[in-house]
Amino acid sequence: QQQVKQSPQSLIVQKGGISIINCAYENTAFDYFPWYQQFPGKGPALLIAIRPDVSEKKEGRFTISFNKSAKQFSLHIMDSQPGDSATYFCAATPHANAGKSTFGDGTTLTVKP
Amino acid sequence: EAQVTQNPRYLITVTGKKLTVTCSQNMNHEYMSWYRQDPGLGLRQIYYSMNVEVTDKGDVPEGYKVSRKEKRNFPLILESPSPNQTSLYFCASSVTAGVSYEQYFGPGTRLTVT
Repeated sequence: QQQVKQSPQSLIVQKGGISIINCAYENTAFDYFPWYQQFPGKGPALLIAIRPDVSEKKEGRFTISFNKSAKQFSLHIMDSQPGDSATYFCAATPHANAGKSTFGDGTTLTVKP
Repeated sequence: EAQVTQNPRYLITVTGKKLTVTCSQNMNHEYMSWYRQDPGLGLRQIYYSMNVEVTDKGDVPEGYKVSRKEKRNFPLILESPSPNQTSLYFCASSVTAGVSYEQYFGPGTRLTVT
């Protein structure tokens, strides 16, 4: 049973555009909702994380929007650049057990110059 | 520099030959985890550890063992590898502190079992 569903599977955006990736979760025991960026041949790297008591968190060009009632959260990449081309994963983690993360299936983002 | 290291980075082995992939972190994190990544299946958790001598199964633990005898190390053991364990493996360490959350991944170990 997949507890975190991510969409779309792949995304193509023009340089300067906004990339939007969505995730939905089922388990209300999750307390942290991180996003990861992974380049080919590398391990995932934490981009930004949000807690459910916050509706939005911004770090540079990356913004997480969180809708607790809908159990959905999304990553927005503003002014997308070719260097942002990577695979992005959302995840959900309970506070009581920071080691037990559940990941979405990933979104492959391609930013065309 | 915060770091999670894994060794080896690449490994080709034969069915049934026991192997160990080492993982070490330098951040004094309590939590450590192992994941496998397969095309189209994302990251699936194999085992995780909440502290020394405390481990628990993740989503796909069959065929794997772990141990946590020291806080910094969390080796993954395949007692009798099979071809369906051919995958890309990642070790990670993590910590939560109030509103903050950190998780660092290692560079990965690409395992091929023939």
